[in-house]
Amino acid sequence: AQSVTQLDSHVSVSEGTPVLLRCNYSSSYSPSLFWYVQHPNKGLQLLLKYTSAATLVKGINGFEAEFKKSETSFHLTKPSAHMSDAAEYFCVVFGGNTGKLIFGQGTTLQVKP
Amino acid sequence: GAGVSQSPRYKVAKRGQDVALRCDPISGHVSLFWYQQALGQGPEFLTYFQNEAQLDKSGLPSDRFFAERPEGSVSTLKIQRTQQEDSAVYLCASSLGGTGISYGYTFGSGTRLTVV
Repeated sequence: AQSVTQLDSHVSVSEGTPVLLRCNYSSSYSPSLFWYVQHPNKGLQLLLKYTSAATLVKGINGFEAEFKKSETSFHLTKPSAHMSDAAEYFCVVFGGNTGKLIFGQGTTLQVKP
Repeated sequence: GAGVSQSPRYKVAKRGQDVALRCDPISGHVSLFWYQQALGQGPEFLTYFQNEAQLDKSGLPSDRFFAERPEGSVSTLKIQRTQQEDSAVYLCASSLGGTGISYGYTFGSGTRLTVV
């Protein structure tokens, strides 16, 4: 069965400093992985997805993630945090042929001025 | 419409009351999903429709939960005899394709259900 574990429930960075949100996955086959962002009272928005093409995936708003099979990781990074990046971030694995998504517990990103 | 629309945005129900939550997917989207997001948690899958067919309902927590999509467009999630543990945000997502992996998923803003 597929699952994801987000290693930090809360991350705090200063504006302009790098962001690292960590995610490990478990899958019996080559997974499809996503990062979603959820701003308060708004719908989930896709940041990026990995579907077995290039291991370094670039997403929107300057975010990127690297798929590392040897480490079963899919960490999300951004070189320089912006105040508008403060939100809840979810690492997600595709659950198989019924299309369901399996979400991690979420990481709250706080950006300090 | 331009996005996935859910109504109502907020619902307060007394314990034991029945509720119905509505999802209007993007026109033409084949697949529709319901998720339940408890406070401070990630969304959890409830059920999946492809057109009017409910292909997976393995995530429904009990027989008090029922979902339908009779004409393959609008969907309703019904919860009977609500209990406090049903308090959560209920999210709907739709996808143009069969499973969403190729076409992507569009999520609604959710319905926040509070059972008192």
